[in-house]
Amino acid sequence: NAGVTQTPKFQVLKTGQSMTLQCAQDMNHNSMYWYRQDPGMGLRLIYYSASEGTTDKGEVPNGYNVSRLNKREFSLRLESAAPSQTSVYFCASRDGTSTDTQYFGPGTRLTVL
Amino acid sequence: RKEVEQDPGPFNVPEGATVAFNCTYSNSASQSFFWYRQDCRKEPKLLMSVYSSGNEDGRFTAQLNRASQYISLLIRDSKLSDSATYLCVVNYAGNNRKLIWGLGTSLAVNP
Repeated sequence: NAGVTQTPKFQVLKTGQSMTLQCAQDMNHNSMYWYRQDPGMGLRLIYYSASEGTTDKGEVPNGYNVSRLNKREFSLRLESAAPSQTSVYFCASRDGTSTDTQYFGPGTRLTVL
Repeated sequence: RKEVEQDPGPFNVPEGATVAFNCTYSNSASQSFFWYRQDCRKEPKLLMSVYSSGNEDGRFTAQLNRASQYISLLIRDSKLSDSATYLCVVNYAGNNRKLIWGLGTSLAVNP
């Protein structure tokens, strides 16, 4: 049981390049989330998916797109990276039970030059 | 006012000390409350949920005060391994199950 996995762990991009961050969970959770974490800003929700086939914007969606490929996978795409997107990106899934726990992946550290 | 506010810290305490963190939230319709722990350069992990009646897990006690709209976390007999950032998290009713995260309180337990 791997939990939530993310790839890559580290990435350096030049301004204007594109990339996709991959996330997968093996816990059969319906809900999945993408956050970014910046110093002094805390965790901010970019997009979430309440179930397979649905996605919704979070607090900071501009510059990002997502795809809920199937129940397991939820990817985040940066079409044209900007230095303001330098951050640590976390994917999470939620168990939907009474504990309502979110489980996080190890994060992707992205630097945009 | 931020939706979820925490003591900024950092808290520096000796081993064995008792330390308490507070967190206030602005939306009285909030339904679920949590404390997560985040180690340096790692992902957040659930420490404990916070129930109306209060709950305890070993050295950790969480309490909820709905009237004053705050939750607290008490750590007794601090260990070096408790050094981390503690994140207060709130789930608002009708918010389609999105969580609102505090900025976190940093704790350093010193030998």
